[in-house]
Formats: sequence, C-alpha cells, structure tokens
Amino acid sequence: DSGVTQTPKHLITATGQRVTLRCSPRSGDLSVYWYQQSLDQGLQFLIQYYNGEERAKGNILERFSAQQFPDLHSELNLSSLELGDSALYFCASSARQGPYGYTFGSGTRLTVV
Amino acid sequence: AQSVTQLDSQVPVFEEAPVELRCNYSSSVSVYLFWYVQYPNQGLQLLLKYLSGSTLVKGINGFEAEFNKSQTSFHLRKPSVHISDTAEYFCAVSDEMDSNYQLIWGAGTKLIIKP
Repeated sequence: DSGVTQTPKHLITATGQRVTLRCSPRSGDLSVYWYQQSLDQGLQFLIQYYNGEERAKGNILERFSAQQFPDLHSELNLSSLELGDSALYFCASSARQGPYGYTFGSGTRLTVV
Repeated sequence: AQSVTQLDSQVPVFEEAPVELRCNYSSSVSVYLFWYVQYPNQGLQLLLKYLSGSTLVKGINGFEAEFNKSQTSFHLRKPSVHISDTAEYFCAVSDEMDSNYQLIWGAGTKLIIKP
C-alpha cells in the first residue's frame, strides 16, 4: 500500500457520460498529480495541484477538469466520454515542493463502451 | 525543452543474466533523476533516485543506476535478474529551473525475462 488511495479501481461507462475519479494523497503530501496511461500514448501528465491551487497543466482535454479540496483529496472529472478516453488514470502525490519524486496510487481503469 | 529518451522499448533477457536499461536526457542545467517500475496491473513505484552526491545510486530489489553528466545518461542495471523483475521501467527527470519539480518521463522499457 503506497498510501495514495484511488477510487474506484474499475469503471465501465458509456460514451457521452461523465465520471468522477477520486484520489486521496499520502498523509502530509500537498501536491497531487493526475496522469493518463494508455497503450498508444504512454504516460501522459494531465494536471498538478498544490495545496488546493492548480500549479501545472499538461495534455488535459477541455472535457476534463480537476480540483483539490481543502482536505487535500482531489477529483478528476471526465465528461462527454469517448472511446479513446479508455485508459488507466493514475494519481500521484508528493510532499512539500522539491525534487523528491512522486508516490503513485494503483490507478483507476476506465473503460468507455 | 527537456526530454527523456529510453532507447529500448523492450529488453528480453534470460533469467539470472545481467541487464542494463538505458536512459538519456537533454538538459543544460542540474537535474534530478528517477527510475520507476510498474509491475503488471499496478501503479508506478519508485526504484531509486539521484539528487546529488555519489553518481552511483542503489535502489530497491538489487537495482542500481549511474549518473553520467558528460553523457547525460542515467542507465539502470541489475547483475542478475529474476522472473519477478518482469515489469515496465520508466526513467524520469526534473531540473532545478522548474519550481514545480515536474517530472518529464521517458516512454518506458518493458523488461521481459526469459526462463
């Protein structure tokens, strides 16, 4: 157990729907990162939050949004889902700002049918 | 812009043989380097990291990596692999100029252990 909790572990939904993925960072970690991993695109950085504020944006689609709440948990919202959104979505967390590396959760596998 | 190149998408190796997974990066400033491992159907786990000091870094599960500044490389090695090392390995880098310490990732190398 890495200490980063992601729910749900698996999600199957239809095209056009909206889903919310949840992440609880490791205790004491202020930064949360969201990644998408698919077979054809590899590991893609989506967005970073630090202590409730957005810090960096990667290849995140306009249909996707995220936020970090005062208790530091984060949610990634995916809307108007397409077949191509099927992927593993990882959350990672890190402590205070610094080159300490990330701790990853076990991911949410999203299947859009 | 920074980039990380993992030269091999797959590396097949016999059990108990040594292995080297290659990683090169492009950056003109001081960097911090990481290797992560992803076992099948799991998240990524930190294997080892180089922040400063000794260029030879030892990690978990018998892995080590050597930082070579002149070659801009951070290759991962293990003297004798086991079936349990079957996984995908990712090299990542961040630099001192990025206040967010964002990690830039390589495309990953799949280590395939042949019995």
